Amino acid sequence: GAVVSQHPSRVICKSGTSVKIECRSLDFQATTMFWYRQFPKQSLMLMATSNEGSKATYEQGVEKDKFLINHASLTLSTLTVTSAHPEDSSFYICSARGGWYNNEQFFGPGTRLTVL
Amino acid sequence: KQEVTQIPAALSVPEGENLVLNCSFTDSAIYNLQWFRQDPGKGLTSLLLIQSSQREQTSGRLNASLDKSSGRSTLYIAASQPGDSATYLCAVPQGGSEKLVFGKGTKLTVNP
Repeated sequence: GAVVSQHPSRVICKSGTSVKIECRSLDFQATTMFWYRQFPKQSLMLMATSNEGSKATYEQGVEKDKFLINHASLTLSTLTVTSAHPEDSSFYICSARGGWYNNEQFFGPGTRLTVL
Repeated sequence: KQEVTQIPAALSVPEGENLVLNCSFTDSAIYNLQWFRQDPGKGLTSLLLIQSSQREQTSGRLNASLDKSSGRSTLYIAASQPGDSATYLCAVPQGGSEKLVFGKGTKLTVNP
C-alpha cells in the first residue's frame, strides 16, 4: 500500500514555457501533499504544503506565482512551473499522507525538469 | 529552526562489512525520525520510521536507533551488499509540524 506516482518522470522544455507535474496517491486518499525540490548533491527542500480543497502554503523564498499548486482532489496534486528558466532545472519530488497513512509521508519517484 | 547533519557525506566499504551512518538534529522536540534510501535519479524509499517513544527499529539487515535527548540517530547496516549502494537520508519534523527537514545524505558505495 501507500503508493505515490508522478508524471512525467522527465521533462525538457524551452525557457519561458510552463510545465505541469502531476502527483497521485494510487491507493489512499491524500489529505495533504508536499512538494520538494532537490538540486544536485543537495538535500530535499520543502517548497509547499497543499491540503485538498484549500490553497497551498509556500515556504519562505518560494514564489507562489511561479510555482502554482493545485490539490483539487484527494488523489491528485499538480505543480505548474510557470515561465520556466534554466535555474528552475531541478528534481521535483512530491509526497503524500492521509487516510490509513496519516503518520508518515510517502514519496513519489520524482520528476527531472531540464529547462534549456 | 531544525537542522539535520549527516556524517559521513560519503562512505565506501567492501562487501560484507557492517557499517553505521550517523544523523544529528538540533531540535530534540521531534515526534519521529525517518531514514530513507535514494537511488541515483530516483525518488525516496522509506526504510525505517522511529517514533519518539522508541529507541530503535529493525527491518531485516537494517537497525535504526534514536537518542532524542542528544539529538542523534544511527542507521546500522549489517553484512552490506553491493545492492545497498545508494544515498541514505534522514529526516525529522520541523518543530511539531508535519514538515520534514532532511539531511544532505550519506552516499554509500559497497564494493563487490
